[in-house]
Formats: sequence, structure tokens, C-alpha cells
Amino acid sequence: QQQVKQSPQSLIVQKGGISIINCAYENTAFDYFPWYQQFPGKGPALLIAIRPDVSEKKEGRFTISFNKSAKQFSLHIMDSQPGDSATYFCAARGNSGGFKTIFGAGTRLFVKA
Amino acid sequence: DVKVTQSSRYLVKRTGEKVFLECVQDMDHENMFWYRQDPGLGLRLIYFSYDVKMKEKGDIPEGYSVSREKKERFSLILESASTNQTSMYLCASSSRPRYSEQFFGPGTRLTVL
Repeated sequence: QQQVKQSPQSLIVQKGGISIINCAYENTAFDYFPWYQQFPGKGPALLIAIRPDVSEKKEGRFTISFNKSAKQFSLHIMDSQPGDSATYFCAARGNSGGFKTIFGAGTRLFVKA
Repeated sequence: DVKVTQSSRYLVKRTGEKVFLECVQDMDHENMFWYRQDPGLGLRLIYFSYDVKMKEKGDIPEGYSVSREKKERFSLILESASTNQTSMYLCASSSRPRYSEQFFGPGTRLTVL
């Protein structure tokens, strides 16, 4: 079963704090793990992505940590800001089955000012 | 600025009606996708196309069909709309390379009464 499990469903963080969203997958054929950010009324947009040959990728305040043996990956948002309030989706894409990307259920993040 | 546009932001239809959702991208992308987004379920792939006149079923194709007569346009068709097809529909496109980013449209919120 190609599935990506995402937690938590919702998250409230104080401004300046660290937001952490976790995802787990089963299919070892997945080899590309993007995170998408969606603001209300907009479509999702790519935030950051990682391939399993590295354990961490950082872009500004956003970091993906990847644990291949545990089949888990997570998004860390450092110094969270009210403008980061959005829904975040983790996703996974495999090396077979065409260009299918499997998305997690999403996490609604609210950063309190 | 890259763009994926969808024909309607909001649509209200009656049960049994035939519904057309149109998507156009201006990036000369080979791949196009239709997803539906429901709370707690994330994005689920309905159909995708990797070339003109080509289509592949996604995870939830039942009750839907698609058409891709031109590279820039990908249509989703609900042959006979039902209330359980009330949802947010998102179109996306990407270029051919395997790790390419998907660009999403703003979505169409469809309500079937």
C-alpha cells in the first residue's frame, strides 16, 4: 500500500518557536520527498524537497530531516512566524508508477503572534 | 511567472449533471495532474497525463474521465455528478525530469447538490 502518514493534524506554535511536522512511509521505492505549503485560497507550492541520499536539507528557516532506516522524515520550521501559518503536506514519489506523488493528509499550522 | 489556471474558482452543480473542469498551463510542461483535496485526506490523485492524448489512472479514478487534446490543456470530466464528488479540485503540471516540481493551480471548489 502506497501511503504517507503525517502528524499532527494541527499544530499551534508561539512566534519564535520551532514547528515540527512528521511523516512516515512504507514503500522503500520512494526516492523523492517534497514538502508543500498551502495558504488559504491558493494551491500548494513546493517548499523544500529531499532525496534519501542525504539525511538533512536546510533552506533558510526550513529543514528536512530524513531517516532512511526508520522510513521517516520531518519538517522543522525554526523561528516560526505568523506568516508561516498555512497547511503543510509531506509527499513521496517513487521510481516506478509514472510520476505519481503520494501526499500526506496535511498539517494545519497556526503561529501565534 | 509560471502559471496554472483553472476555469472556475467555485462551481455549483446538480446531481446527475455532466461537469467539465478545465486546466491550462503556460510552462510547456509535459505532465499534468488532477487531484481532489478533502479535509483529513490530503491530496488524492484522480488522473494524470504525461503527454498529449495520453492518460493514466490515479488512485481514485472512478466517476471521472479526462481529456488532453493539447499540451497546455487538461480537462477533468464528471460524467454524472454525485454529492460525494463535492470537493476541492486541484490541477498541477510538471516538466519531464523525474525530480521536477509540481506547480498547482488555485483550485476549483465544486459543490454537487
